[in-house]
Amino acid sequence: GIQVEQSPPDLILQEGANSTLRCNFSDSVNNLQWFHQNPWGQLINLFYIPSGTKQNGRLSATTVATERYSLLYISSSQTTDSGVYFCAPSAAGKSTFGDGTTLTVKP
Amino acid sequence: KAGVTQTPRYLIKTRGQQVTLSCSPISGHRSVSWYQQTPGQGLQFLFEYFSETQRNKGNFPGRFSGRQFSNSRSEMNVSTLELGDSALYLCASSSGQRNEQFFGPGTRLTVL
Repeated sequence: GIQVEQSPPDLILQEGANSTLRCNFSDSVNNLQWFHQNPWGQLINLFYIPSGTKQNGRLSATTVATERYSLLYISSSQTTDSGVYFCAPSAAGKSTFGDGTTLTVKP
Repeated sequence: KAGVTQTPRYLIKTRGQQVTLSCSPISGHRSVSWYQQTPGQGLQFLFEYFSETQRNKGNFPGRFSGRQFSNSRSEMNVSTLELGDSALYLCASSSGQRNEQFFGPGTRLTVL
């Protein structure tokens, strides 16, 4: 199956700072999603991004499928951005989750 | 549109018992996938059902099984529970075409 590596594993920021989270995957994929898991365990959809770039407010994502990586950008971070961010590339109908990046935003 | 719902939200069982978890997908979605999340193993894919048929399966023992009904609601069953089965069980629904998944709030299972 697909191997997924997310970096960094942990990230601590001051409110207002920007950050970039990376997701590398080992094989060709049909699609890729980014999620934010809140403290109650709910996975919230951020982006469905098999390729290209998308933006949603302070968040944007870029997937370069040919080079097998995706990036999630968070600008002007807020304390409510804290949590775990997962990428999940999918191939042959199966999604594989990375270990996630734990983001802590301090006031 | 209502989101994905899972019941129950919390469950406590003892070793050796069995458990059934339920997932109702978003209206119109025909695919339901199940995942197990533990601190040690992360989020792992259990299986996917589409139109009442198991379409994909992860690497879990046969104690883990599932089914899907004609209204797309899905259940997963774990028999002969072990301590290591304590986890957050998440289900996700998708239309089955684009494979964009939407997750429910999860069922937190504790095995004592």
